[in-house]
Amino acid sequence: AQSVAQPEDQVNVAEGNPLTVKCTYSVSGNPYLFWYVQYPNRGLQFLLKYITGDNLVKGSYGFEAEFNKSQTSFHLKKPSALVSDSALYFCAVREGSQGNLIFGKGTKLSVKP
Amino acid sequence: NAGVTQTPKFQVLKTGQSMTLQCAQDMNHEYMSWYRQDPGMGLRLIHYSVGAGITDQGEVPNGYNVSRSTTEDFPLRLLSAAPSQTSVYFCASKTVDSPLHFGNGTRLTVT
Repeated sequence: AQSVAQPEDQVNVAEGNPLTVKCTYSVSGNPYLFWYVQYPNRGLQFLLKYITGDNLVKGSYGFEAEFNKSQTSFHLKKPSALVSDSALYFCAVREGSQGNLIFGKGTKLSVKP
Repeated sequence: NAGVTQTPKFQVLKTGQSMTLQCAQDMNHEYMSWYRQDPGMGLRLIHYSVGAGITDQGEVPNGYNVSRSTTEDFPLRLLSAAPSQTSVYFCASKTVDSPLHFGNGTRLTVT
């Protein structure tokens, strides 16, 4: 069965510092990996995805994620955090091009000035 | 382009009442789904549909019904509301090659 783990409930970062939000996954076949962001009282917004190709994926708002097959990880990164990046971040996985998306429990990112 | 529209935004029900959460998309997406979001639980899939006339159960389907009579609409029905169904409900849609597009959610409280 597919699963996603986000080991940190909350990540605190100072503005201007790099940030990392961790995600590990488990699927039996080829993983399709996604990151979404949720701002208060809104639905989830797509940030980026990995399907195949380069292990470093670039997405919206300066975010990027690194796919590591040996560690079954897909960590979200940004070189310089902004206060406006404060939100809830979800990692998600599905096996192959079809099928349903399975979400992690979310990580709250707090960026302080 | 409205995307995915959910109504109502807020709803309070008494235990045992029934209601329908509406979801409509104008992107001609084949796939539609309902998730519920609870603190510390992330998003859990309730039901999904891969096209008009086709529905299937997700991870937590008990207490909910769905139908898909058109491509655009995918309503979620609570037959007899229970306090355990207090949650925020999200509808989402996609095509084969697109990521999921989410609505802004319906916050449901069952007393």
